[in-house]
Order: sequence, then C-alpha cells, then structure tokens
Amino acid sequence: QVQLVESGGGVVQPGRSLRLSCTASGFTFRSCAMHWVRQAPGKGLEWVAVIWFDGSNKYYADSVKGRFTISRDNSKNTLFLQMNSLRAEDTAVYYCARDPYSSSSHFDYWGQGTVVTVSA
Amino acid sequence: QSALTQPASVSGSPGQSITISCTGTSSDVGGYKYVSWYQQHPGKAPKLMIYEVNNRPSGVSNRFSGSKSGNTASLTISGLQAEDEADYYCSSYTSSSTLVFGGGTKLTVL
Repeated sequence: QVQLVESGGGVVQPGRSLRLSCTASGFTFRSCAMHWVRQAPGKGLEWVAVIWFDGSNKYYADSVKGRFTISRDNSKNTLFLQMNSLRAEDTAVYYCARDPYSSSSHFDYWGQGTVVTVSA
Repeated sequence: QSALTQPASVSGSPGQSITISCTGTSSDVGGYKYVSWYQQHPGKAPKLMIYEVNNRPSGVSNRFSGSKSGNTASLTISGLQAEDEADYYCSSYTSSSTLVFGGGTKLTVL
C-alpha cells in the first residue's frame, strides 16, 4: 500500500532554515510527480510546490518562490523541501502528496503531515 | 495565483443532496480537465474524492459526483450521511503549471 511519511518539522526562528523530508513506499516513486501542500492553523489548504517524476521541472506558489526549494532522490524514494528565510506566515502542517501522473494533475495519496512553527 | 472561490459553508439533512461550487477562471478550472475534490475531517489528512472533474477513485462512494460548466466546477453529495460532515476543497491545474485550491467549504449535516 502507498505510504508517505513526512519528517523534519519543528520550531524555528524567523529567518532561519528547515528541511522537510517525505519517505515514500508502496509504489514506483520515480514514475510520479510529487507535491508539497500546507495548511496554516485553522485555515485552508495551500499548494506549495511540485516536482515532476524525474526532477526536470519544478513549480512553486508565489508565496514561497525564491525561498523554498523542492527536490527528490529517486534512488532513496525521498522527497525534500528546503525552506529558507522562514516567516511567521509559513507556520503550518506540511503534507507531501503523490500525483498519479508524471507531471501535475491532482493528489491521490497524502502523508499525515509534519508541523512547522516559525516563532521567535 | 488567486484561490478558487467556494462557499464558506453548506448544510443539509440526512438523505438530502447538496452541491458545492468552485469558481475559477479560464486559466484554471475552465481551461483544464484537472479539477479535483478533497474531503478533510478535523485533524486528518485530506482524501481524494473526485479527480479529472467527474471521476471517483476506487473506494469512494458513488454518492459523490462531480461536474463542470465553464469556469465553475461542482461537487454533489447525494443521500447525505452524518459521516459526510467535513471540510471540502476543490483544486485545479493552472496555466502557470501550478495547482490552486479553493478556500474550502464546511459541510454540516443537520
């Protein structure tokens, strides 16, 4: 069965960096695009970034462009999100989600999320 | 990257049908088949309910259906059940090769 397990969340000061990981199992990771989606406390879902199956294309939400970098290691079935210059408004639960296609379409499996809190 | 527009809340009684709308533009909802819907219960990860406008993943009840007309997509839930009470989000692919969500709709089963 498909499993996505996020890790790396925590409490970090504004302006600092954090790296999230998402370990995938139960499917052919290298064939699927992967996304990060976040949800601020009490708020709705916000799409953050996508990376195509082979890492050839990456797209970002305007709110994180230039600060966040999505990457993947297909040899280790792992997705990453490098978050730099963190702001209070980046506080959220961060989910990794699988796209069933090699490029962007929708999210068919989700992890349970990892909590990121940006606070002094 | 403006969020898609959904009603903040809808409600219905058990057994009734409800419809949640999701309005975008020709650069997202109106321009692509990649419109999807997600159900989220409190404290849980979202769950895919409808993909590519009107397709149900295996295991999702046939009480859930989707449609699209122009720049507006819709999710219909028939035969409402108490377990359907949750937040619902639409999502669409966009002309910028990004994805965008709606603001979410809280469904209350009376």
